[in-house]
This record gives sequence, structure tokens and C-alpha cells, in this order.
Amino acid sequence: DVKVTQSSRYLVKRTGEKVFLECVQDMDHENMFWYRQDPGLGLRLIYFSYDVKMKEKGDIPEGYSVSREKKERFSLILESASTNQTSMYLCASSLWNSQYGYTFGSGTRLTVV
Amino acid sequence: QKEVEQNSGPLSVPEGAIASLNCTYSDRGSQSFFWYRQYSGKSPELIMSIYSNGDKEDGRFTAQLNKASQYVSLLIRDSQPSDSATYLCAVGRGSQGNLIFGKGTKLSVKP
Repeated sequence: DVKVTQSSRYLVKRTGEKVFLECVQDMDHENMFWYRQDPGLGLRLIYFSYDVKMKEKGDIPEGYSVSREKKERFSLILESASTNQTSMYLCASSLWNSQYGYTFGSGTRLTVV
Repeated sequence: QKEVEQNSGPLSVPEGAIASLNCTYSDRGSQSFFWYRQYSGKSPELIMSIYSNGDKEDGRFTAQLNKASQYVSLLIRDSQPSDSATYLCAVGRGSQGNLIFGKGTKLSVKP
């Protein structure tokens, strides 16, 4: 069964901490994405990557960075966590043309206190 | 700005009825269309994809696409309480690029 695996289901961090969210896919997909989802706001794209070591800003990149050193792994980094970054974070992957849609990970619910 | 619009709901239907979920999109170059189901607290799950005009059926689900009207819909026949979820519409160009997601329609199926 093909999978997108996110390292943590629930995470609680303190304000100012550096936070790493990890995502691994086993489908040999070219594209990987990080979204956050908040009630009433839908899915908002933070960053995406079309290839190893490539990254593109999405709609809300401020306060975040990403790393893609290997094709299967895409990491989201919160440089200095703030309470307004409390959210559900979703990783997704797809083929290069997204022709068959995205496969999502199970999500990480991050709470910053 | 490419957009995908959905009625946020909630859409409430009785058990056994047909639920009709609608989505419009602004990019005429769109070539691929998807419906995702998202249960509360869970991640989106792909349930239907459609690429050409007309209907596509899969079990109790039917996706309908009308590219001239820039409209895609999802029909759920014999709705069950387990169908209660938020349904996300997503649209893509079929070339390298992102899918654009609507904000979702919340469906509630009452026993």
C-alpha cells in the first residue's frame, strides 16, 4: 500500500522553538507539498518541491522553510514557532504533472504554547 | 487568480437520499478534476477523479464534469451517516503545477 508518512500525529512545542516536521513518501513521486489547514480557511499551501533540492514558495511561506535532500523526504521547518502557527499540517505528494491527484499524509496537529 | 469555489454548507440530507455537491472553477485550461473526502480530524482522501466531460460512476458516487460551464459535481446516492464529512474539490492543469483546492462543503447525513 503506497504511503505518505508524517513523523508525528500530535506535537506540542513552546514559543520560539525550532520545529521540524518530517514527511516521507514511498511512491517515487516527483512533487511534494506542505499545507496547513485551519477551520474556515481551507488548505493553504506553504511550500512545494518539484525535485530534489528544489523548493518553491506557496501562498503563506512566512515563518517557514523546507528541505528536500532526497526524493522521498520533504521537511518543513518552523524557524521560531509562534502561537499563530498552531494548526494541522498536511504533507502531500504527486507525480510530476499531478495527473492522478495528490496523496496526503495523515497530518500533524501542532500546538504551540 | 485561479479559483475553485464550493458552497461551504453544511449540506444536510436524510439517510438514503441523494447528496449533490457542486464546484466551479475559473481556469479554462484545467484538465483534471478530483473529489476528496475529509473526515473531521483526518487528512483528505481521494475518492473520485474525472478528466473528460460527462459522468463517471464508482459505486454510490458519480462525478459530473461540464468544461463549457466550468462546473464539476459529485453525487452520492443512498447517502449514509458514514458519508458525513467535508468534501473538497480540486482542479489541475495536467501539466507540471499544483492542484487548486476549494474550501470544501460539509455534508451531514441524518439517520
